[in-house]
Amino acid sequence: TQLLEQSPQFLSIQEGENLTVYCNSSSVFSSLQWYRQEPGEGPVLLVTVVTGGEVKKLKRLTFQFGDARKDSSLHITAAQPGDTGLYLCAGASEANAGKSTFGDGTTLTVKP
Amino acid sequence: GAGVSQSPSNKVTEKGKDVELRCDPISGHTALYWYRQRLGQGLEFLIYFQGNSAPDKSGLPSDRFSAERTGESVSTLTIQRTQQEDSAVYLCASSLDGRTGGYTFGSGTRLTVV
Repeated sequence: TQLLEQSPQFLSIQEGENLTVYCNSSSVFSSLQWYRQEPGEGPVLLVTVVTGGEVKKLKRLTFQFGDARKDSSLHITAAQPGDTGLYLCAGASEANAGKSTFGDGTTLTVKP
Repeated sequence: GAGVSQSPSNKVTEKGKDVELRCDPISGHTALYWYRQRLGQGLEFLIYFQGNSAPDKSGLPSDRFSAERTGESVSTLTIQRTQQEDSAVYLCASSLDGRTGGYTFGSGTRLTVV
């Protein structure tokens, strides 16, 4: 069974601060996704990373895939209240027939 | 359609009743997934369809749960003899071919069993 562990589970910060959340596994993934979920909605895909060491930027969000494709991080610069939500990482592998395994998420609250 | 549509958005049912949850995926997406999310938790895989076939039903919690997909389009998740522990948000997602990750999710059906 492939497991993804996310940390921290909860994070509460002030507007303007920087933060990093982590997604770790002992399994290798062919691709890894990050989603953001707001209350009452389904998760929305933010990014997919597929190459070990890959770094992708989406405005103030920076995503990195570990060299061994077992872990990933999400860094937010100058967080804003609109960044508040549940951040989920998900890994897919050919061994799992493309089915994604989700972490339990990091709940981020950005206070104005 | 433009996105994944789920209905109903909310369902309250009495313990022991059967419920049907519907998912309309994005047109042309061959892969369809059902996940369950309990309050404050991550996503629990239930079942995966490639076309109309379900190669992976490993996540279905018990034989009270079943799902089907027709016309490589609409999917229905049925829960028979509902129990209080079935209360959760049921999320449907679709992807173009299911080979790599990256799903489009619906807004979910919030099921409450009383």
